[in-house]
Amino acid sequence: NAGVTQTPKFQVLKTGQSMTLQCAQDMNHEYMSWYRQDPGMGLRLIHYSVGAGITDQGEVPNGYNVSRSTTEDFPLRLLSAAPSQTSVYFCASSYSQASTDTQYFGPGTRLTVL
Amino acid sequence: GQQLNQSPQSMFIQEGEDVSMNCTSSSIFNTWLWYKQDPGEGPVLLIALYKAGELTSNGRLTAQFGITRKDSFLNISASIPSDVGIYFCAGRDTGRRALTFGSGTRLQVQP
Repeated sequence: NAGVTQTPKFQVLKTGQSMTLQCAQDMNHEYMSWYRQDPGMGLRLIHYSVGAGITDQGEVPNGYNVSRSTTEDFPLRLLSAAPSQTSVYFCASSYSQASTDTQYFGPGTRLTVL
Repeated sequence: GQQLNQSPQSMFIQEGEDVSMNCTSSSIFNTWLWYKQDPGEGPVLLIALYKAGELTSNGRLTAQFGITRKDSFLNISASIPSDVGIYFCAGRDTGRRALTFGSGTRLQVQP
């Protein structure tokens, strides 16, 4: 099993550009989520999904969109990138929302918005 | 909103030394988790705690769920160079499903 994979590993955008951060897991996990990690702060939840076709907002959802068309994939879209979105983004998955204590994290995408 | 204060922010120690770090919350938690993040990687769960007063070990790591339910502690004994990384606490209170993460303790070990 590859676990949770994320692409790209690094990305530089200009303000106003759009892009999609990819996340995939091969563990048949129902629950998937996106976090951002900023210096001096803990991980903050952006969006999450409890299963295919179901998504919901986390703590800091503004500026981000998600969709969950399959169990395996949970892409994060930035429609119009802003410098405030410069961060490291982590995708995570777990068997269910009740088992997020044992969620698996991907290696992260380091995003810089100029 | 939820607040977790994790301290110290960073530590630089000699190999073989013991390490202690802690997290305190502004509200009562029913779950405390400790993660380690290696450079360029995502966090990996080390220890999970679910009961006030609980003391759980994972090799040289020991974590405790504070009896007030507002704090947790992680100890690393006889540190080695591969202990280098960032250690995060995370917790969940009874009214929320989402985890709240601490800001991390960066540990450096001098061989």
